[in-house]
Amino acid sequence: KAGVTQTPRYLIKTRGQQVTLSCSPISGHRSVSWYQQTPGQGLQFLFEYFSETQRNKGNFPGRFSGRQFSNSRSEMNVSTLELGDSALYLCASSIERGDPYEQYFGPGTRLTVT
Amino acid sequence: GNSVTQMEGPVTLSEEAFLTINCTYTATGYPSLFWYVQYPGEGLQLLLKATKADDKGSNKGFEATYRKETTSFHLEKGSVQVSDSAVYFCALTSGYSTLTFGKGTMLLVSP
Repeated sequence: KAGVTQTPRYLIKTRGQQVTLSCSPISGHRSVSWYQQTPGQGLQFLFEYFSETQRNKGNFPGRFSGRQFSNSRSEMNVSTLELGDSALYLCASSIERGDPYEQYFGPGTRLTVT
Repeated sequence: GNSVTQMEGPVTLSEEAFLTINCTYTATGYPSLFWYVQYPGEGLQLLLKATKADDKGSNKGFEATYRKETTSFHLEKGSVQVSDSAVYFCALTSGYSTLTFGKGTMLLVSP
């Protein structure tokens, strides 16, 4: 079974631009979560989607948004990029069965803002 | 709110040495606890988990025991290998899927 895939793997953008990152969960998984990883702040939760609805949201500004499609694929968007948005963005999917719900992570998208 | 505290790294060991990475947590309710590992250039892989007090998670020679009385989940391995060099993250969840992570501990193992 294919794992979680994220595209693109690497991205370079300029301050003020916007960016869209994509995540395809493991087949059958309906929950998708996004995390930001930086050297200073570590891993921080952005948001979680389940069945096309945002179920949970972390403490990030409104410039960060996301959505989930009917096939469970998810995208996150960052508008008006700032230098501090440079990070590894990780997506994780979960099947919502078992205790606890195990999350499977993709390889991440490395975003560099110049 | 939930929080996880890990010992800072890097932890530098020689091959076959004993490994301990400390992890303590603060959480509401009865969290589930995890250790994830991240190899260079890759995402996170679940290493082991424990869902209730006194549970021991184990995988690939790594072990961790859920200690509710000390709110700890320390990672141990009896004999590390060079291939274990990676960053290790302790994490917890109190419900659904949202994970709260520690800052991560880099492990460097030399031959």
